[in-house]
Order: sequence, then C-alpha cells, then structure tokens
Amino acid sequence: QKEVEQDPGPLSVPEGAIVSLNCTYSNSAFQYFMWYRQYSRKGPELLMYTYSSGNKEDGRFTAQVDKSSKYISLFIRDSQPSDSATYLCAMSVGGATNKLIFGTGTLLAVQP
Amino acid sequence: DAGVIQSPRHEVTEMGQEVTLRCKPISGHNSLFWYRQTMMRGLELLIYFNNNVPIDDSGMPEDRFSAKMPNASFSTLKIQPSEPRDSAVYFCASSLGTGDGKLFFGSGTQLSVL
Repeated sequence: QKEVEQDPGPLSVPEGAIVSLNCTYSNSAFQYFMWYRQYSRKGPELLMYTYSSGNKEDGRFTAQVDKSSKYISLFIRDSQPSDSATYLCAMSVGGATNKLIFGTGTLLAVQP
Repeated sequence: DAGVIQSPRHEVTEMGQEVTLRCKPISGHNSLFWYRQTMMRGLELLIYFNNNVPIDDSGMPEDRFSAKMPNASFSTLKIQPSEPRDSAVYFCASSLGTGDGKLFFGSGTQLSVL
C-alpha cells in the first residue's frame, strides 16, 4: 500500500462547478499537508498549505484535513478553465527536513 | 529571484550513454531535492540534500544514479549508463529547510533514452 493514495482522474467539469479533490494516507505521523498545482510541461507549484487538522481558505480554494480519518480534500469553487491542471497532494512529517511524499496527482479539466 | 533553474530542458540520448542533469537552487535555500515523475509512478523522491550534504538517497533506484552538490548553488544528477526505463521528467526543488514542506520546483528536464 502506498503511503499516499490519490485518484488519478481525469476529472472533467463545466466552468463554474465546484470541484472536490481528495487524498488518503496511512502514516499518522504526517503533520504538514499541501496541495500543489502542476500545469502541463511545468513544475509543481504550491497552492495550499495546512498544518495539522482543520480548514484553510484562500479565495476560491479551501483545503481540509481530517487526521482522524487520514483524509485530506481540496475544494475549488466557481471553477475556471485556468484551473485546468494536475493537482497533487503532498505530506510531510516535518522536523528538520522537508521530505515530501506526493500523491500521483489528479488531472482536472474545466470546460468553458 | 529567477527561481530554481534546471538544464537542459530536454535531453534525448541513446541507451548506454551518460546523462548529466543540472540544477541551480534558489539563493538562500539550504535544502535541495531531486524528484522523478512518470505517468505510472507519479513524483518520486530520489535524493535530498541539507546544507550540501546528502541526507536520504533511499529513492535512488540503482547504482547507475548518482547525485552531487559541490556547493550551495549547484547540484547534478548523473545516470551512467542510461536505460530506456530511465525516461521521465526529472525535477529539482529547493526549500528553506525549515520543515514546513514548502518546496519550489524547477521546470524539469524531460529525459528520453532511446
């Protein structure tokens, strides 16, 4: 079993839809949870960052962490064609290093 | 800041040849990571350095792979000899090394081994 599981999609939605992306994990030591966005032929870029459990909102994006269920989510409201990308969840136990474990990514296409 | 700079952007080589990928991290960052990305396996951590010292190379697939960081502003990932199954996108990333998981990625090197 992988440490981090993510549905690869692809996920296709119409413009304006609410998108829900999810990851599950097995390592209870993870404390830092992130979502990276990767456009085609580009490197991943940090989109959302959460420490421990709870919600974090940034504009149209909301990240949720449920440590009891080992489950994290990213919600995108009023999705736009520019949101079309691969979304990767990532996790870290923290400490002196930044060793991240990534999910395989979910490919999202927002249709105009 | 120009961000993390990787070269070359694309590399096409024949099986058995030596391949060297290069990375310049963001100035002031003291952690550097090499990742490999494929459709089947996603992003895999190959090796990471803290203050130019290799900390964890458990992700390096075989002895054919080696990485160096001679100074804070330069790192290389070498594959010798290369094989077709090494074909992937190789990313370099850097961070402040504060343990918060915030990595900054380069644009990657697309490697094709024929």
